[in-house]
Amino acid sequence: KAGVTQTPRYLIKTRGQQVTLSCSPISGHRSVSWYQQTPGQGLQFLFEYFSETQRNKGNFPGRFSGRQFSNSRSEMNVSTLELGDSALYLCASSLGGAYTEAFFGQGTRLTVV
Amino acid sequence: DQQVKQNSPSLSVQEGRISILNCDYTNSMFDYFLWYKKYPAEGPTFLISISSIKDKNEDGRFTVFLNKSAKHLSLHIVPSQPGDSAVYFCAASANFGNEKLTFGTGTRLTIIP
Repeated sequence: KAGVTQTPRYLIKTRGQQVTLSCSPISGHRSVSWYQQTPGQGLQFLFEYFSETQRNKGNFPGRFSGRQFSNSRSEMNVSTLELGDSALYLCASSLGGAYTEAFFGQGTRLTVV
Repeated sequence: DQQVKQNSPSLSVQEGRISILNCDYTNSMFDYFLWYKKYPAEGPTFLISISSIKDKNEDGRFTVFLNKSAKHLSLHIVPSQPGDSAVYFCAASANFGNEKLTFGTGTRLTIIP
C-alpha cells in the first residue's frame, strides 16, 4: 500500500511569487490535513479537507489556501510569498473523521529567497 | 498561544537506560493524546496514543502516562536504543481524536551508545 506522497520534495521561490504543493493521500483515505513546520514552532495546523470540503482551518493568513479533488488528492497554494513562509510543509491523510491514525508524507521543503 | 508544550528542546540518554519525554497542555478540552517520532527528511510517524479515559498505555518499549489533573503526559522508552534518536512530538486532540491535532514544538532525543 503506497504511503502519502508529496510533490515536489524541494522548492526555491522568490519573495512575491506563488507556489502550489501537492499531496496524494493513502488510497481510501478521505481526510487530508496540511501542517507547517518551522524550527522552534513545531507543527502548525493549516487546514483539513474531507470529501472536497474544508472542515477545519488554522490561524494562517488568507494567502494560504487549499483544495481537495474528488480522488482525495489535495493541493495547497501560497500566494505572495514572504521570507517567513520558508518551512517544511507536511501533509497527513487519515481514513475518516478521526485524526488518531494520521499518516504523514515526507514533506515539501520550501525556501523563499 | 502554545496549547501543547514540550519544554525540553533536547535530551541525551545512555543506550539501555530509560528515556522520559514530557509534554504539558493547557486546553482542558483535549482528551486524546499522541506521540509522533520524526527522523530528518521524513514525515512524522505515529508512535503511541492515549485516551483521557486511561492513565497509561503500553506498546512494547514505549509507555505513555497521562495525568489529567496536572495536564501532563510523558513518554517512557525503555530500554533506549540508538535507533530511537529522533525528534519526538506530542500532539493533542479534542472529541476523542475527531478534532484537529495540536502539536508541541518537539524534543530531540539523542541516544548515546
